[in-house]
Amino acid sequence: DVVMTQSPLSLPVTLGQPASISCRSSQSLVYSDGNTYLNWFQQRPGQSPRRLIYKVSNRDSGVPDRFSGSGSGTDFTLKISRVEAEDVGVYYCMQGTHWPPARTFGQGTKVEIK
Amino acid sequence: QVQLVQSGAEVKKPGASVKVSCKASGYTFTSYGISWVRQAPGQGLEWMGWISAYNGNTNYAQKLQGRVTMTTDTSTSTAYMELRSLRSDDTAVYYCARDAHSSGLDYWGQGTLVTVSS
Repeated sequence: DVVMTQSPLSLPVTLGQPASISCRSSQSLVYSDGNTYLNWFQQRPGQSPRRLIYKVSNRDSGVPDRFSGSGSGTDFTLKISRVEAEDVGVYYCMQGTHWPPARTFGQGTKVEIK
Repeated sequence: QVQLVQSGAEVKKPGASVKVSCKASGYTFTSYGISWVRQAPGQGLEWMGWISAYNGNTNYAQKLQGRVTMTTDTSTSTAYMELRSLRSDDTAVYYCARDAHSSGLDYWGQGTLVTVSS
């Protein structure tokens, strides 16, 4: 299976400052149709995960524009331009290119306020 | 609006089975799949498998092969996940999610806590 590796695993951030999370895959996520199927999810404390980004850089409806996704091939990044208190939680990347056989998540990055 | 509503918390003994349900509404059930994802206490997300609500085709995570069965009832727009031979390390919150295939998991249920304890 494709292995997804996130860094850092813990990210203390000052309110109003930017934050950046890296996600690397063990194989290229470019699919035969030319698309790259990489999602980002946010899980706030005590809540279900919520998809933020699909196909690398497309924001889901209702997701603030301070969230942005970028990257290609095996290296991807989720950026928060100015962290707000409601952004506290764990962020996961997930690949959908090499599926089947399996969808795989990164280990998660915990964002907290300094 | 799209909603996935899961069944309530369960407590099971080691060796028993559990069956979690996920009732979908707000979209055409057979046009999407359902993935199941679990999260052990304090841990990350683990994808368990997928079922097509269109034709019932399944794809399970290798580590759960032989212990998990996913089914759907299109008459009630409900997906089910059964896990057998439960062990203590199966204690987790189990989520269903609408699987939009190439776009990933776009809507999630509220989660069902399954506790395995003697």
